Amino acid sequence: GESVGLHLPTLSVQEGDNSIINCAYSNSASDYFIWYKQESGKGPQFIIDIRSNMDKRQGQRVTVLLNKTVKHLSLQIAATQPGDSAVYFCAEAGNQFYFGTGTSLTVIP
Amino acid sequence: DTGVSQNPRHKITKRGQNVTFRCDPISEHNRLYWYRQTLGQGPEFLTYFQNEAQLEKSRLLSDRFSAERPKGSFSTLEIQRTEQGDSAMYLCASRTAGGDEQFFGPGTRLTVL
Repeated sequence: GESVGLHLPTLSVQEGDNSIINCAYSNSASDYFIWYKQESGKGPQFIIDIRSNMDKRQGQRVTVLLNKTVKHLSLQIAATQPGDSAVYFCAEAGNQFYFGTGTSLTVIP
Repeated sequence: DTGVSQNPRHKITKRGQNVTFRCDPISEHNRLYWYRQTLGQGPEFLTYFQNEAQLEKSRLLSDRFSAERPKGSFSTLEIQRTEQGDSAMYLCASRTAGGDEQFFGPGTRLTVL
């Protein structure tokens, strides 16, 4: 079955630094991935997505990298801000969505 | 507010009681999903609908869980004979059939005493 996991459960970064959150997946047939941000007491919020025919996709201050060879994706947040503090999930998406455990990002002012 | 809404936001019940949660998706979204999320974990897929058809329900946690979407608009998730282990956040999400992005509601937090 599908398995999506995150390497680190917590990450602390200084405000202004870049953050990198990693995720591994097991289903080599997966062709679509999404990163979500979840703040306390709220539902997950879409950040950025990527299809398997791409290696990299950029958004505003965020970049997702996909390495299909090792079944790994990462989320890079540039110039991390206190408002970026949240739990970040990667999800393997098709008709159903499979989420990893999540990484809690704390931004230190 | 045109986002996904869920009611109630919080529910406290005694073990053995039945509970029902409601989800109102974004109006033009024909796909609706239910998830359960426990503390420190990612959302766990339960079931989904395309319009009124329930296309996947094998991941519902037990036969005490059931979901409906009778008119293809709002959906309800019912848990019968609640157990303490059912305490969790229940999330609803919706999207269009041809769309990628899934929009989540704020969730219903269930506490079973």
